[in-house]
Amino acid sequence: EDKVVQSPLSLVVHEGDTVTLNCSYEVTNFRSLLWYKQEKKAPTFLFMLTSSGIEKKSGRLSSILDKKELSSILNITATQTGDSAIYLCAVLSYGGSQGNLIFGKGTKLSVKP
Amino acid sequence: KAGVTQTPRYLIKTRGQQVTLSCSPISGHRSVSWYQQTPGQGLQFLFEYFSETQRNKGNFPGRFSGRQFSNSRSEMNVSTLELGDSALYLCASSSGTFVTEAFFGQGTRLTVV
Repeated sequence: EDKVVQSPLSLVVHEGDTVTLNCSYEVTNFRSLLWYKQEKKAPTFLFMLTSSGIEKKSGRLSSILDKKELSSILNITATQTGDSAIYLCAVLSYGGSQGNLIFGKGTKLSVKP
Repeated sequence: KAGVTQTPRYLIKTRGQQVTLSCSPISGHRSVSWYQQTPGQGLQFLFEYFSETQRNKGNFPGRFSGRQFSNSRSEMNVSTLELGDSALYLCASSSGTFVTEAFFGQGTRLTVV
């Protein structure tokens, strides 16, 4: 059965800290890995990774995919209270024609002032 | 451009009733996927529609069904509601091309009493 596992499940840090969130997957017909940030309801898209070893970067956030290790990390540097959210990792798999997103349970990040 | 719009935002239903949720995707997007999010299970894929055809389905009972109209708007129906159907229902739209990120709506919070 396809699965995506995120760790840690929750994390409490102080402003200014750097955090690393982990995502590992066992998915047949892997196509891409996506990271989302969910603050209240709608998950908002952060990154999509399809190629191994290529870092995607947006401001203080960055992510990289390791297809050999079947994993990805999301780094957040100089954390701010506004980074507090649930971070979701999802893998796009192909079953049938287009596929669906298989989500991990998420990492709940709390950034204390 | 406008984002993904889900209606209603909140619903309270009693066991045994049925419910219909609506999702209007981003203009030009032809793929709509539905997800159920609960604290215990996280985000789980229900089904995906593309050009009015269901092209992928998750592991949910037949009480969960959906459809897509020619303008790409989609509806999801749950019949014979159970307490366990209480959840946040999210829909996501994507352009439907080969590999693409999905953009989520704000969700419909369904409470079954």
